[in-house]
Amino acid sequence: AQSVTQPDIHITVSEGASLELRCNYSYGATPYLFWYVQSPGQGLQLLLKYFSGDTLVQGIKGFEAEFKRSQSSFNLRKPSVHWSDAAEYFCAVDRGSTLGRLYFGRGTQLTVWP
Amino acid sequence: EAGVTQFPSHSVIEKGQTVTLRCDPISGHDNLYWYRRVMGKEIKFLLHFVKESKQDESGMPNNRFLAERTGGTYSTLKVQPAELEDSGVYFCASSQLQLYEQYFGPGTRLTVT
Repeated sequence: AQSVTQPDIHITVSEGASLELRCNYSYGATPYLFWYVQSPGQGLQLLLKYFSGDTLVQGIKGFEAEFKRSQSSFNLRKPSVHWSDAAEYFCAVDRGSTLGRLYFGRGTQLTVWP
Repeated sequence: EAGVTQFPSHSVIEKGQTVTLRCDPISGHDNLYWYRRVMGKEIKFLLHFVKESKQDESGMPNNRFLAERTGGTYSTLKVQPAELEDSGVYFCASSQLQLYEQYFGPGTRLTVT
């Protein structure tokens, strides 16, 4: 079945540590790829997106993500995590043929220790 | 510029009752989407409007769900009658035509008891 996989349901890191959140998809063609973040009581906020071109994309709040076609992955990274980064992170895919319909992973809950 | 707004933020109803959720997209956004997240599961697509027309409603779970977008502005999602499995967070998102960046509202948390 076509899907978006976020293998880590919950990750805990210390403030200042580096972070990598994993995302894999199983669609055949290269889709459009997104990372969203949801803080408590807030809606989903777009962190970054990949459509084509440079496979390393920069987003807001110091986040970046790298698209690896051979691995069907789009992992999110941040070199130094801040306590305010504690939130739930969602990887999402637009297959490009579905008029903007997004397919989401189950989300990764990030806890940051002071 | 105001973002996507949703009302109410939280609704608690009994099984068999009716609930109507509202979404106001960003002004000028012709695309409007509804998604739902059931606890512990992924966010799933429900349907997509382009202006006032339903472009894709393949994600609607059954005929107890009715979505409308009169005049191509705000949208409503009615659940009638509600069942326990309808509990979850309902998100609305909007985007401009031909653009793939969707802006999400804060969601409506629906609890059916």
